[in-house]
Amino acid sequence: DVKVTQSSRYLVKRTGEKVFLECVQDMDHENMFWYRQDPGLGLRLIYFSYDVKMKEKGDIPEGYSVSREKKERFSLILESASTNQTSMYLCASSFYREGEQYFGPGTRLTVT
Amino acid sequence: KQEVTQIPAALSVPEGENLVLNCSFTDSAIYNLQWFRQDPGKGLTSLLLIQSSQREQTSGRLNASLDKSSGRSTLYIAASQPGDSATYLCAVRPRPGGGADGLTFGKGTHLIIQP
Repeated sequence: DVKVTQSSRYLVKRTGEKVFLECVQDMDHENMFWYRQDPGLGLRLIYFSYDVKMKEKGDIPEGYSVSREKKERFSLILESASTNQTSMYLCASSFYREGEQYFGPGTRLTVT
Repeated sequence: KQEVTQIPAALSVPEGENLVLNCSFTDSAIYNLQWFRQDPGKGLTSLLLIQSSQREQTSGRLNASLDKSSGRSTLYIAASQPGDSATYLCAVRPRPGGGADGLTFGKGTHLIIQP
């Protein structure tokens, strides 16, 4: 089975802090994705990556950056956390670019 | 811009009933469609993936159909059980070159199966 893990289930940070969310997949997938999920807005794509050191913006990249130094690890970075970034963050991976996406358990981030 | 709508937003039925969840999308130029379930506070579990060239996919008590030309998909759950209670999400993947990559999600159907 594909396993996608995220470094924290719950995280509380202060406004202005730099925040790192980590995602690791164990199935040698080329493609990795970061989404955020908010009530009433559903899931929205923040960034994705199709290869090591490669990144592409999704629908809502503002205020975020990403890093992919190794194939199995994709990090989401909040350079200066703000309260409107309080959300559930979900990481996903897929073998083929258009293939089935597998999701991690999510990180619920609260910024105070 | 692709929009995905799921109806109903919430559904409560007695155990044992067969039920249908609906998903519609505005742009038929999709590569595939994926159904997920999400338990409260958890991540998404992939249920079924239908390629744009396919009409349906089955897994156990689940059957998903796709009518790309009309922009619709249905998820059929047979003989529902309390363990099926969850939020069900539909998501579409655009064709390569068809805009932003990644999945476009509906807002989900919150399903409760009464014992």
